[in-house]
Amino acid sequence: EIVLTQSPGTLSLSPGERATLSCRASQSVSSSYLAWYQQKPGQAPRLLIYGASSRATGIPDRFSGSGSGTDFTLTISRLEPEDFAVYYCQQYGSSPPALTFGGGTKVEIK
Amino acid sequence: QVQLQESGPGLVKPSETLSLTCTVSGGSISSYYWSWIRQPPGKGLEWIGYIYYSGSTNYNPSLKSRVTISVDTSKNQFSLKLSSVTAADTAVYYCARAYYDILTDYYYGMDVWGQGTTVTVSS
Repeated sequence: EIVLTQSPGTLSLSPGERATLSCRASQSVSSSYLAWYQQKPGQAPRLLIYGASSRATGIPDRFSGSGSGTDFTLTISRLEPEDFAVYYCQQYGSSPPALTFGGGTKVEIK
Repeated sequence: QVQLQESGPGLVKPSETLSLTCTVSGGSISSYYWSWIRQPPGKGLEWIGYIYYSGSTNYNPSLKSRVTISVDTSKNQFSLKLSSVTAADTAVYYCARAYYDILTDYYYGMDVWGQGTTVTVSS
């Protein structure tokens, strides 16, 4: 079973700054299987990135994903006020079948 | 566009079975993986399991012995049953749609989510 570890747990930044969030897998994950989500308080998660680097429909281009193997990154180039939220990575596993989430990174206003 | 709506009791007694239904509107239940995810208060997301529209299922190993997910394509609904619940099962439960293309071996993520329903386990 693959475990996803996200770091840091909390990121304190100001609007306009760059955010870099890490997702590390316990074993190699296909880039085709890696997704990122944003969750705001009281709301369901929203798909941001799939295939490690493809933005979902309607997602602004300040959000970008990268990485391969065991190390993946979500970057927010310039934080907007609405970007302060919790972010989760997720992997699709085929053997064994699973849709594992990382523990999340909270991006808070500094 | 496709919308998901969870329904079911908000309060379940310990040792009983939690039962939730997710209704899919605005689209067909075919060709997707339909998932249940939960989030305990103040904690992260936990995948519970999914069902393919054909009926094949996969469950989180940590919950597998207590979980059953089923689908009713005639009603465009899928359901979750979690048996022998305890206070640790108190959470917001979400249903979501996921797409995996077996031909290209590509996972497109969970692109549609329900609003979530809070289930409390208490006597």
